[in-house]
This record gives sequence, C-alpha cells and structure tokens, in this order.
Amino acid sequence: DSGVTQTPKHLITATGQRVTLRCSPRSGDLSVYWYQQSLDQGLQFLIQYYNGEERAKGNILERFSAQQFPDLHSELNLSSLELGDSALYFCASSVGGRTYEQYFGPGTRLTVT
Amino acid sequence: AQKVTQAQTEISVVEKEDVTLDCVYETRDTTYYLFWYKQPPSGELVFLIRRNSFDEQNEISGRYSWNFQKSTSSFNFTITASQVVDSAVYFCALTKGGSEKLVFGKGTKLTVNP
Repeated sequence: DSGVTQTPKHLITATGQRVTLRCSPRSGDLSVYWYQQSLDQGLQFLIQYYNGEERAKGNILERFSAQQFPDLHSELNLSSLELGDSALYFCASSVGGRTYEQYFGPGTRLTVT
Repeated sequence: AQKVTQAQTEISVVEKEDVTLDCVYETRDTTYYLFWYKQPPSGELVFLIRRNSFDEQNEISGRYSWNFQKSTSSFNFTITASQVVDSAVYFCALTKGGSEKLVFGKGTKLTVNP
C-alpha cells in the first residue's frame, strides 16, 4: 500500500458526460501528479500540482482540468467524454520541491461507452 | 526531448531463471533521474528504485539488481532466480533534475512460469 488513495476504483459512463476523479496524497506529500495509462499511448503525464499551485502541464486535453485543495487532495475533472478517454488514471504524490520518488495510487479505471 | 526505450515488449521465463530487462534513455540534460516501477496484474504502480545521473554505482536489493551505464545511456534491471510473483509489467522512467514529470517507457511484460 503506497499510502495514496484514489476514488472511485472503477467508473463507467457515457460519451458526452463529465466525471470527477479524486486523489488523496500520502501524508506529508505536497506534490500531486496525474497520469493517464492507455493501450496506445502508454503512461502519459497530465498535470502536476504543488501545495495548491499548478506546477507543470503535460499532454492534458482542454476538456480536462484539475485542482489541488487546501487539504492537498486533488481532483481531475474530465468533461465531454469520448470513447478514447477510456483509460486507467493514476494519481501519484511525492514530497515535492526537488525530484523525489513518486508513489502511485491504485488508479481509477474509466470506461466510456 | 527526453525518451525512454524498452525494446523488449514481452519476456517469458521459467521460474529460477535470471532475466534482464533493458532500458535505454535519451536526454540532453546533465542532471536527470532514472526509475523503475513494477505494475503487477492488480494494476497499481510500485516504485522499485531511483538513481541520479551522478551515481553510476550498481545497486542490489535482494534478487533485484540494477546496472546504470552512462556511456551507453542504459539502466538495465536484472532479476535473479525469478519467481512467479515477479510476473508483472516493468516500466523504466526518466525525469529531468529539478522537474518532476516522469517520462515512461512502453514497459516490458515479464511472465514467470512455474
């Protein structure tokens, strides 16, 4: 158990819908990262927050957004969902500030039908 | 741009065999960090090791060992006396020092048969 929690574990929804994925980092970690794992793209970095502020952006679609709250949990919002958004979404956390190892949550498997 | 190549898509071995997973990376940065993660069938990503670009010492942890060679831009992972529980997808990853985005390879699926 990495100490990073993600809810829900599975999510099935229809095209055009909007969903919210939630992540709680390990106790004491200030950085939260979101990654998408799909069969064709592999593991891709989406976005990083550090202590409530957006720190880095990767291949995140405009239909996707994220935020980190004062209690350091983070939410990833996916809207106008398409079939191609079906993937495993991971949240990771690290102490932050410099390059520390990232510990990953169990992931949320999103299926868009 | 940074890139990680894991040329072996799938490897199948019999229990107790040694197996080496290859990882070749590309970066123009002088400071960088390399990682290995394990993804068992249950799906989570488990951190195995971090190595920085200034430390080329090989590392051993039980049956696991890592060989870092800057001259060939490789960071290979060897499992000695493999076990069925080692069956998983293994990912090599790279990050720039001071920046924390991980760039992953495509992964190598290891199957250890009894």
